[in-house]
Amino acid sequence: GAGVSQSPSNKVTEKGKDVELRCDPISGHTALYWYRQSLGQGLEFLIYFQGNSAPDKSGLPSDRFSAERTGGSVSTLTIQRTQQEDSAVYLCASSYGAGPNTEAFFGQGTRLTVV
Amino acid sequence: AQSVTQLGSHVSVSEGALVLLRCNYSSSVPPYLFWYVQYPNQGLQLLLKYTSAATLVKGINGFEAEFKKSETSFHLTKPSAHMSDAAEYFCAVSPYQAAGNKLTFGGGTRVLVKP
Repeated sequence: GAGVSQSPSNKVTEKGKDVELRCDPISGHTALYWYRQSLGQGLEFLIYFQGNSAPDKSGLPSDRFSAERTGGSVSTLTIQRTQQEDSAVYLCASSYGAGPNTEAFFGQGTRLTVV
Repeated sequence: AQSVTQLGSHVSVSEGALVLLRCNYSSSVPPYLFWYVQYPNQGLQLLLKYTSAATLVKGINGFEAEFKKSETSFHLTKPSAHMSDAAEYFCAVSPYQAAGNKLTFGGGTRVLVKP
C-alpha cells in the first residue's frame, strides 16, 4: 500500500489477556518505530528497528511489552497480561533513512482498550 | 534528557485570524525540530521540520515556523486560519546525533477554528 498500515484499528481485550498489534511499513522503508499515545502520558516512543540491527527497546515500559520485525518489513507489538493502564492508541511509523532528521510516516494507529 | 513544552493545550481562533502555536525545547545542543498535525482518528502528518539549513521553515498548508536558538523556541504560525486547520498539533524533537529519528513529543495543542 501507499502508507503505513496498522491492524486491527480497534481492539478490546480483557485484563490479563495477551494482544498482538501489527504494522506494515511503507515498502522500502528501513526504519520502523512504535509509539504509544495515551491521555495521561501523551505520545511516547516505545521501540525502534533499523534494518538488521538490534532494536532500540529503551522506551518499552515493562517486560510485558515486546516487538519483533520479520524480514525487515512487518512488525508485531505484543503486550502480555494486559493491564488497564495499557489502554492507549499504538502508533507505528516508518522512514526511509536512519538519520535523526528523516521524515517518519505514521499509520492511523490501533486503539487498544483493556476492560 | 530532552523535553518539549507546548504552551496551551487548547487554542481557539476565528477563521481568517492568525494561528500561533508555541513550542519550547530543552536540550544542550539544538536538536532537529518537527511539527506534526493529527486530524481526528488519523495518524500524524508532518507539517514541517527544522534541520539547521534555515531558521524560517515553510511547511504544508500555509504553515511556517521559526527556530530561535536564543529562546530555544520553534513556534508555529499561519497567517490566516481555515476551518480545515482544526486538529491537534504536536511539536517534537530528535537529538542531533541520535541513531534513528526517535521523537520526543510535546503535549500537543488542540486548535478550534470558529466561523
